[in-house]
Amino acid sequence: DTAVSQTPKYLVTQMGNDKSIKCEQNLGHDTMYWYKQDSKKFLKIMFSYNNKELIINETVPNRFSPKSPDKAHLNLHINSLELGDSAVYFCASSLRTGVSNRIEAFFGQGTRLTVV
Amino acid sequence: AQKVTQAQTEISVVEKEDVTLDCVYETRDTTYYLFWYKQPPSGELVFLIRRNSFDEQNEISGRYSWNFQKSTSSFNFTITASQVVDSAVYFCALSEPLRGAQKLVFGQGTRLTINP
Repeated sequence: DTAVSQTPKYLVTQMGNDKSIKCEQNLGHDTMYWYKQDSKKFLKIMFSYNNKELIINETVPNRFSPKSPDKAHLNLHINSLELGDSAVYFCASSLRTGVSNRIEAFFGQGTRLTVV
Repeated sequence: AQKVTQAQTEISVVEKEDVTLDCVYETRDTTYYLFWYKQPPSGELVFLIRRNSFDEQNEISGRYSWNFQKSTSSFNFTITASQVVDSAVYFCALSEPLRGAQKLVFGQGTRLTINP
């Protein structure tokens, strides 16, 4: 199936640990994103990469570091996890503006991170 | 700064009723895109529609229709003859193309419940 897939779907970990979330898309898109959805369902962008280049870097703690080995993958590494990091993290991908008019972002199924 | 307001936090209707979800946006950009996403109880984000700022044509897709009015900065979504499967949280989003990426600014979401 063509999709944006992220792993794991659920992640429970203790404060202070380091964890990673992986994301892969096979839609042929060249731009990828990480979004955070808090407990009130509010969605906010964190990062965006285009063809391995960091394009968007919102006000996110340095403990969050995205890594894009190629344009089909964008991983999120989080150091020294805190209780407030508990949220659902969504990966997404889209085509770069100007390449096509179909620039809508497609989202992965989300990773529910719980820090205890 | 860009902003999206979905004033209706929750809507509850009986099956087969028509329902309209409101979305009002603010932007200083002349070129922008508007989107609607659906988040069913299973948690994934499903793309529904994209609208370009220079295309004010309304759109109908089956029981779904969208009314884009630049004069009132609104992009409302109507479901006709609602069904229980339409129950979800619906998000309106505005994006500004930024070096090819799409920085989505989401509204707070409207939780729609369709009762049998």
